[in-house]
Amino acid sequence: GAVVSQHPSWVICKSGTSVKIECRSLDFQATTMFWYRQFPKQSLMLMATSNEGSKATYEQGVEKDKFLINHASLTLSTLTVTSAHPEDSSFYICSALDTDSLQFFGPGTRLTVL
Amino acid sequence: QKEVEQDPGPLSVPEGAIVSLNCTYSNSAFQYFMWYRQYSRKGPELLMYTYSSGNKEDGRFTAQVDKSSKYISLFIRDSQPSDSATYLCAMSAITNAGKSTFGDGTTLTVKP
Repeated sequence: GAVVSQHPSWVICKSGTSVKIECRSLDFQATTMFWYRQFPKQSLMLMATSNEGSKATYEQGVEKDKFLINHASLTLSTLTVTSAHPEDSSFYICSALDTDSLQFFGPGTRLTVL
Repeated sequence: QKEVEQDPGPLSVPEGAIVSLNCTYSNSAFQYFMWYRQYSRKGPELLMYTYSSGNKEDGRFTAQVDKSSKYISLFIRDSQPSDSATYLCAMSAITNAGKSTFGDGTTLTVKP
């Protein structure tokens, strides 16, 4: 199957700082990537759809100014959590869509905001 | 009502048992049906996918889709402790640009 990587795998930061998470499709090009958030023992919550070369589409209730998404190339999308606060602590997972419209997920990034 | 309902579980079975995981859906536009496996603190891994009604087999895993009943299943034969994980069903419509709707997941524990 296709491989998607995320970096970093975990990050701890102080409240008020910004954190950038990278999502890369390693062996295929992805016009579309998705960003999810997952709380312990809960299902995936779609935050936004990232399209290469255009603005991301955010789900209802997700603050676009807080969660900045950039999809600058066909293999890279980034999520920046701006002015992070403890309530932003979560598991963030990206996925990339291949040419068969199948989603392949990254391993996730655990964010802890102190 | 959610578009996709997944049997909540959790499920606990002895090693070697046959496991049945199920989802129902309400959107008749769904044409792509996927099963993902997610280990704790990891991203979901695509296990199986089908584009139509019928069965698809891969080793110990069989995915079944009944579009007339809007019902999908994943069967695991000869379950192993390494199958212990959360299983997510997912579905998408051809018109929805690949965006999938996920079930809430069923946590499976296979006891040695």
